[in-house]
Amino acid sequence: NAGVTQTPKFRVLKTGQSMTLLCAQDMNHEYMYWYRQDPGMGLRLIHYSVGEGTTAKGEVPDGYNVSRLKKQNFLLGLESAAPSQTSVYFCASSYRFGPSYEQYFGPGTRLTVT
Amino acid sequence: AQSVTQLGSHVSVSEGALVLLRCNYSSSVPPYLFWYVQYPNQGLQLLLKYTTGATLVKGINGFEAEFKKSETSFHLTKPSAHMSDAAEYFCAVSEFGGTASKLTFGTGTRLQVTL
Repeated sequence: NAGVTQTPKFRVLKTGQSMTLLCAQDMNHEYMYWYRQDPGMGLRLIHYSVGEGTTAKGEVPDGYNVSRLKKQNFLLGLESAAPSQTSVYFCASSYRFGPSYEQYFGPGTRLTVT
Repeated sequence: AQSVTQLGSHVSVSEGALVLLRCNYSSSVPPYLFWYVQYPNQGLQLLLKYTTGATLVKGINGFEAEFKKSETSFHLTKPSAHMSDAAEYFCAVSEFGGTASKLTFGTGTRLQVTL
């Protein structure tokens, strides 16, 4: 059981380039989330999904798009990267609706935009 | 809107000393509260959570936290620090209701353990 995995682990982009971060979970979780972590700011929710084919905006969605074509995968896209998107990105998943259900986190992707 | 405040971005303790990491929350509805730990270059791992019932919650690695509604606090403690406890700790509050269990995180407290 791999849990939540993220690809790639590290990436350097030039301003204006695009890329896709892949999150995969093998726990059959319904809900998946993308967060960004910046120094002194904790984790902030970018987008989330409550099931296959559905996505919704979180706290800081601008500049990102997401897709959930398969239940086990949640993709985060940057169409035109900006230096402000330099961050560590975490994917998480949870079993079902309800604030008490634990979110399981992936190991993170460290993205630098120059 | 819910929010979380973690007092002290860095805390340093000696090995064997008491660990106390502070967390205060703001929520207009009964909160669900969490502590997560992040070891260097890793993702977040759940330490413990409060949902309902007993206000003293025990977690992994000897940590515990007490929900105090009157003080809107959920401080994390461990009686005796170990070198392996050095990590960053995040307090989080969950929004009750809505369409997903969205978490609001505090800014984190980095715990250093010295010999």
